[in-house]
Amino acid sequence: DVKVTQSSRYLVKRTGEKVFLECVQDMDHENMFWYRQDPGLGLRLIYFSYDVKMKEKGDIPEGYSVSREKKERFSLILESASTNQTSMYLCASSSPGAAYEQYFGPGTRLTVT
Amino acid sequence: GENVEQHPSTLSVQEGDSAVIKCTYSDSASNYFPWYKQELGKRPQLIIDIRSNVGEKKDQRIAVTLNKTAKHFSLHITETQPEDSAVYFCAASMYYGNKLVFGAGTILRVKS
Repeated sequence: DVKVTQSSRYLVKRTGEKVFLECVQDMDHENMFWYRQDPGLGLRLIYFSYDVKMKEKGDIPEGYSVSREKKERFSLILESASTNQTSMYLCASSSPGAAYEQYFGPGTRLTVT
Repeated sequence: GENVEQHPSTLSVQEGDSAVIKCTYSDSASNYFPWYKQELGKRPQLIIDIRSNVGEKKDQRIAVTLNKTAKHFSLHITETQPEDSAVYFCAASMYYGNKLVFGAGTILRVKS
């Protein structure tokens, strides 16, 4: 059973703070993704990674960076949090095989005040 | 880049009726189209998917159809039940599951 976990369910940060969101998967998946979910906008891809130390920009990378030092862990970093980054953040992982399914974590509700 | 439009944004049906959610995509190179269901407070989960070499796929009460010429695909739920109430997201990918582009979502309410 695939398990994707995220470091926090709820997080409150102040404007300008550096924020780390962590995601861990236990299925040895090569691919990992970070999305943000906002009402009426669906899930938008921020960054993704196909392998350790590899990263690629998604559709809305501005204001974010990522780190993947180990295969099972993918971190999203908000260098200087802003109020417009208040959102639900979802991590996902998948294996580049025939199944294609992305497995999501429970999400982190981030509020920036 | 790829753009996916989804409608309706909300859909209310009576228990036992059918529900249809439609999506259009912009890039003819897209070849994989999954549907995810997200119940309130839970994570999205894949419920069905279809690849570009298939026109229709069924799994019990749910089915997905794909029209590559028109660049649209649809989710059909028959005999809806209260537990079908959720947000449904369609998505498209040019890379067989990697780099999905999602639609905005449809809130489905099944009234009993």
